[in-house]
Amino acid sequence: QVQLVESGGGVVQPGGSLRLSCAASGFPFSTLGMHWIRQAPGKGLEWVAFLRHDGSDKDYGDSVKGRFTISRDNSKNTVYLQMNSLRTEDTAVYYCVKDGTGYDHWGQGTLVTVSS
Amino acid sequence: DIVMTQSPDSLAVSLGERATINCKSSQSVLFNSNNKNYLSWYQQKAGQPPKLLIYWASTRESGVPDRFSGSGSGTDFTLTISNLQAEDVAVYYCQSTYTHVRSFGQGTRLEIK
Repeated sequence: QVQLVESGGGVVQPGGSLRLSCAASGFPFSTLGMHWIRQAPGKGLEWVAFLRHDGSDKDYGDSVKGRFTISRDNSKNTVYLQMNSLRTEDTAVYYCVKDGTGYDHWGQGTLVTVSS
Repeated sequence: DIVMTQSPDSLAVSLGERATINCKSSQSVLFNSNNKNYLSWYQQKAGQPPKLLIYWASTRESGVPDRFSGSGSGTDFTLTISNLQAEDVAVYYCQSTYTHVRSFGQGTRLEIK
């Protein structure tokens, strides 16, 4: 069955960096694009980033453009989110999901807290 | 980028009644080549990740009760929950899947009256 396991969250000071990982299994990872979605405490869902299956195309939400970088290692079935210049408003649970006509599988997410 | 706007922000409906949530996109999400609307609906219960209910505007995900139905085309869409059950209390989101920039609506909180 499909599994998506996010990790790498934690507490970081404003201006700091963090790298999130998402280990995927149960589907042909190297043939599908991947997305990161986030949800701030008590707030709605926000699309963060997309990476094409072969890494040839990527997109970012306006709020993270220039600060976050999405990447993947198809040999490890893992997608990453490098987050730099973190701000307090980046505090959220971060989810990875596989591309499709809808996000049919979600992990439990990883919590990132940006605070001094 | 496509902007998704839901209405209302919250609503309270009696058990057994019908709940209706609207979603409007800033541009059409209808792909003319296959005549499909790239619009999904999600349900998120407290403390849980979202759950996909409907994709292509009106196709129910496997296992989703037929009380949930989606309709609409182009820029205007509706999620209807018939015969409301207590377990339907949640926040509901629409999402454009028309491009790789997957915008969500702001969410609609559904409660029992």
